[in-house]
Amino acid sequence: QVQLVESGGGLVKAGGSLRVSCAASGFSLSNYYMSWIRQAPGKGLEWISHISNSGSATYLADSVQGRFTISRDNGKNLLYLQMNSLRVEDTAVYYCGRAVEQDTFDLWGQGTLVTVSS
Amino acid sequence: SYELTQPPSVSVSPGQTASITCSGDKLGDKYASWHQQRPGQSPVLVIYQTTKRPSGIPERFSGSSSGNTATLTISGTQAMDEADYYCQAWDSSSLYVFGRGTKVTVL
Repeated sequence: QVQLVESGGGLVKAGGSLRVSCAASGFSLSNYYMSWIRQAPGKGLEWISHISNSGSATYLADSVQGRFTISRDNGKNLLYLQMNSLRVEDTAVYYCGRAVEQDTFDLWGQGTLVTVSS
Repeated sequence: SYELTQPPSVSVSPGQTASITCSGDKLGDKYASWHQQRPGQSPVLVIYQTTKRPSGIPERFSGSSSGNTATLTISGTQAMDEADYYCQAWDSSSLYVFGRGTKVTVL
């Protein structure tokens, strides 16, 4: 079954760190660019990071630049988001998304909730 | 940064047609996508490259574009179509941009 499954979310204090993961199954992650998109409680979708299929190119939104790092392990079919210096406003459900046609996402995971307390 | 503008809400009666607009600077030169998010669920792609429908998406979902406005149309709206709908486009500066979402209520 083609799917993405996120894990690693949880409760962390402001200033702390957390790494969330996205496991791909039913397809080879190495064939796709991937992104992380988040959704704060009751809010809309916000794209935050993107990585090329080889991992050689990465992009970050201004809101997380310098604090978050995206990476991947194609051999394990895993995508990661390392989050440092977390802020209360980073509280959100974090989704991984499979990028296609260079401009959209055709597959989303179920999301993992990250809660940052003050 | 690039922005996409959607109406906050749209109401429709069962069996009728719902139209959701999405406008942005030079959006007509870009591809628009639409993602459906039912309450408590993950988003699902329902339209890509402005007018194309992914496999498994019902034919009642269609996309169109005129000028700098993209439109998602739901024909013969069903109760199960009640959801938030997000338009999305790719911009060379901002990369992936989402609109703020439109809540479709089926009355």
